[in-house]
Amino acid sequence: EVQLVQSGAEVKKPGESLKISCKGSGYSFTGYWIGWVRQMPGKGLEWMGIIYPGDSDTRYSPPFQGQVTISADKSISTAYLQWSSLKASDTAMYYCARSPLIRGYSYGHFDYWGQGTLVTVSS
Amino acid sequence: DIVLTQSPGTLSLSPGERATLSCRASQSVSSNYLAWYQQKPGQAPRLLIYGASSRATGIPDRFGGSGSGTDFTLTISRLEPEDFAVYYCQQYGSSPLTFGGGTRVEIK
Repeated sequence: EVQLVQSGAEVKKPGESLKISCKGSGYSFTGYWIGWVRQMPGKGLEWMGIIYPGDSDTRYSPPFQGQVTISADKSISTAYLQWSSLKASDTAMYYCARSPLIRGYSYGHFDYWGQGTLVTVSS
Repeated sequence: DIVLTQSPGTLSLSPGERATLSCRASQSVSSNYLAWYQQKPGQAPRLLIYGASSRATGIPDRFGGSGSGTDFTLTISRLEPEDFAVYYCQQYGSSPLTFGGGTRVEIK
């Protein structure tokens, strides 16, 4: 059974750093992309970026470039999303999701999702 | 970037009725790479349709996707109580990936 299990909820202060995780199981972790999606309170879905754990190829959506870092450790089948200095506006639910390869190597839709990690940033 | 506009914002229907949700793209979606997701309160999104018309694993056949180019439709042939949720479209024909703003299907 394919599963993506995310780390637990976090409460942080503005300016603090944070790294959340997403552990994949039940499939070949290096054979699929893992993307990150933000959902602010009461709002829609926003694609943040994506990583291919097989070779760590990483792409970012322009609004998130330079704001977050996506990484992966294929030895433990885990992807990460991290911030170096959180803002109150980073308060949101963050989902990781698996994307199968399309057109040979590219990424596409998301067929399995993690349960989400709620990040609250407040002074 | 491709902007996806979903309509209507809210659809009020009764169980057993047919639901028709629209997703319009600001430019043609390459290879009809368009997906639909369902999200219920407190849950992660669930993939329903990919490639505009292919149902994901385990999705009932009352869910159907159609369309091409810039106009796509998700149809739920007969609404079941568990289908009342928010639905999002997503294009993956070009980067950055983008989502529509969502359509809420509520019980009338």
